[in-house]
Amino acid sequence: SAVISQKPSRDICQRGTSLTIQCQVDSQVTMMFWYRQQPGQSLTLIATANQGSEATYESGFVIDKFPISRPNLTFSTLTVSNMSPEDSSIYLCSAGGGRTEAFFGQGTRLTVV
Amino acid sequence: QQPVQSPQAVILREGEDAVINCSSSKALYSVHWYRQKHGEAPVFLMILLKGGEQKGHEKISASFNEKKQQSSLYLTASQLSYSGTYFCGTESGSGYALNFGKGTSLLVTP
Repeated sequence: SAVISQKPSRDICQRGTSLTIQCQVDSQVTMMFWYRQQPGQSLTLIATANQGSEATYESGFVIDKFPISRPNLTFSTLTVSNMSPEDSSIYLCSAGGGRTEAFFGQGTRLTVV
Repeated sequence: QQPVQSPQAVILREGEDAVINCSSSKALYSVHWYRQKHGEAPVFLMILLKGGEQKGHEKISASFNEKKQQSSLYLTASQLSYSGTYFCGTESGSGYALNFGKGTSLLVTP
């Protein structure tokens, strides 16, 4: 089983600024995923990140707002750009899925003021 | 497309059983079940694959009706530790990204 270290665990940010969230996996994984979860709500997929190619974004999410990097098979970052209070949420990275279990980072609780 | 879960919430007494359902309008490649406690990451419970293969924890059972695109999670002899929100995640074959249902809140009381 894989372990994902995600940081920061929480942050309070000023509107208009950007925050970069990092995820480190303890083994190599082909794809990583980024989700957003409002408190008490479901997980909404933001994008799929493959190493060596541009991330694939879901409807409603754009690269300018949520740029993603995937420099190698164990690491990925998600940046939340030009933040507004509507971006306040929990952001989770994940690896695995399909025929294997998915693993999640502990989440980043973001509050934009 | 987001799968539909039912019920939205369940309250049980310790030792009682519960069934949580998940259905999709699309043909499914796999169904995953996760439990999430407040402030924590989702934790894996079970995978059900097209073709009948299952992987999961011993004390958890589930079913997958491929024709109906439905899955059910069976929680028997519930314990206090079973409390949390249960999510089904479905994959329709378009890569490994999971689409999660809205969740079922389960509370087990003494």
